[in-house]
Amino acid sequence: EPEVTQTPSHQVTQMGQEVILRCVPISNHLYFYWYRQILGQKVEFLVSFYNNEISEKSEIFDDQFSVERPDGSNFTLKIRSTKLEDSAMYFCASSARGTGGTQYFGPGTRLLVL
Amino acid sequence: ELKVEQNPLFLSMQEGKNYTIYCNYSTTSDRLYWYRQDPGKSLESLFVLLSNGAVKQEGRLMASLDTKARLSTLHITAAVHDLSATYFCAVGNGETDKLIFGTGTRLQVFP
Repeated sequence: EPEVTQTPSHQVTQMGQEVILRCVPISNHLYFYWYRQILGQKVEFLVSFYNNEISEKSEIFDDQFSVERPDGSNFTLKIRSTKLEDSAMYFCASSARGTGGTQYFGPGTRLLVL
Repeated sequence: ELKVEQNPLFLSMQEGKNYTIYCNYSTTSDRLYWYRQDPGKSLESLFVLLSNGAVKQEGRLMASLDTKARLSTLHITAAVHDLSATYFCAVGNGETDKLIFGTGTRLQVFP
């Protein structure tokens, strides 16, 4: 069964460093998302991406964040200068349709900023 | 701003018992999703509810949606230990259906 994959599974970085989180969505899906979950809290929407551009973004997704689909398979989230409060689990999700379609989540990348 | 609230936040139930988790949301939507999350794991899709009155069942779980009341329920029948997990509801919002998640309900089923 197709699944969303993410790398790395864990990332430890120093405050101020740049990190890139990688995702491979399900191959025939067209809509891509990033969410994050701070430990013990609810899941928060960051950004949605369709047709090679950002469709929506949340207040969390400020200028320090960017997303890219550099080729036909990868979808990346870059945090330019990490802060302590960026420590969280980051989930990538993909869906075949924009509304009403199941969003399939990847296993997540646990980011720890020291 | 769309808000999604779940209750209870924590539920400890005995095996064999029934219980319902409630999900209330603040603005009109006819797209409601239920996910399950095991500790340290990702989110697993359980149900997609896309219209008023929608009801879906899978095993011991049944979900329903009342868009007029802005309420979805997840009913657990005859709970078993394997159902222990955190359950999230999420409302689909906007053109690309960004998910606005509830606070989650941590379910613990004991013998």
